[in-house]
Amino acid sequence: GESVGLHLPTLSVQEGDNSIINCAYSNSASDYFIWYKQESGKGPQFIIDIRSNMDKRQGQRVTVLLNKTVKHLSLQIAATQPGDSAVYFCAENIGSGRGQNFVFGPGTRLSVLP
Amino acid sequence: NAGVTQTPKFRVLKTGQSMTLLCAQDMNHEYMYWYRQDPGMGLRLIHYSVGEGTTAKGEVPDGYNVSRLKKQNFLLGLESAAPSQTSVYFCASTVLGAYEQFFGPGTRLTVL
Repeated sequence: GESVGLHLPTLSVQEGDNSIINCAYSNSASDYFIWYKQESGKGPQFIIDIRSNMDKRQGQRVTVLLNKTVKHLSLQIAATQPGDSAVYFCAENIGSGRGQNFVFGPGTRLSVLP
Repeated sequence: NAGVTQTPKFRVLKTGQSMTLLCAQDMNHEYMYWYRQDPGMGLRLIHYSVGEGTTAKGEVPDGYNVSRLKKQNFLLGLESAAPSQTSVYFCASTVLGAYEQFFGPGTRLTVL
């Protein structure tokens, strides 16, 4: 079936640098995307979302970019901090429903180096 | 608010044993979900509920049953545990009309 995937399983960045985490999706009908952060031993936590009628959305230190032409999603974290170390994964909504129609990617582990 | 809580946090079962995982939320959310998370894979939906007294199958429902007798609680049952059910189980909930899911801390289950 169709699924969301990630280009890189791990990413290491220096503290203070910007991080870019990528996500490829395969369902062109997906209308809504979410980025989650999962710290070790915890449940996923919502970071930011974007609808398919947008190509960019900004939050506090985070920006999500959506390129529907190549079906690519990215999460940019500005001035990466040690507290940003976690697994990040994207989720796409592939139908008109709510949680039951989300497909989750496997995640990228972000490590922040001192 | 405690948000979404899960009980227990850890459990070890022998093959063939049964158990029930409890999920509780105090946010008055209508939708609740059970996922499993395995290494190298994304969250996979087991069962979900769109309201009290209603449940539906997700992507990987085999070997699991659920019940939602009260709006705030969503129970996941394993009738006869198998090693393939070794995983981390997450419960989540969503308010009506929204997409964002609020997740619990997870239950790590090992089936020997």
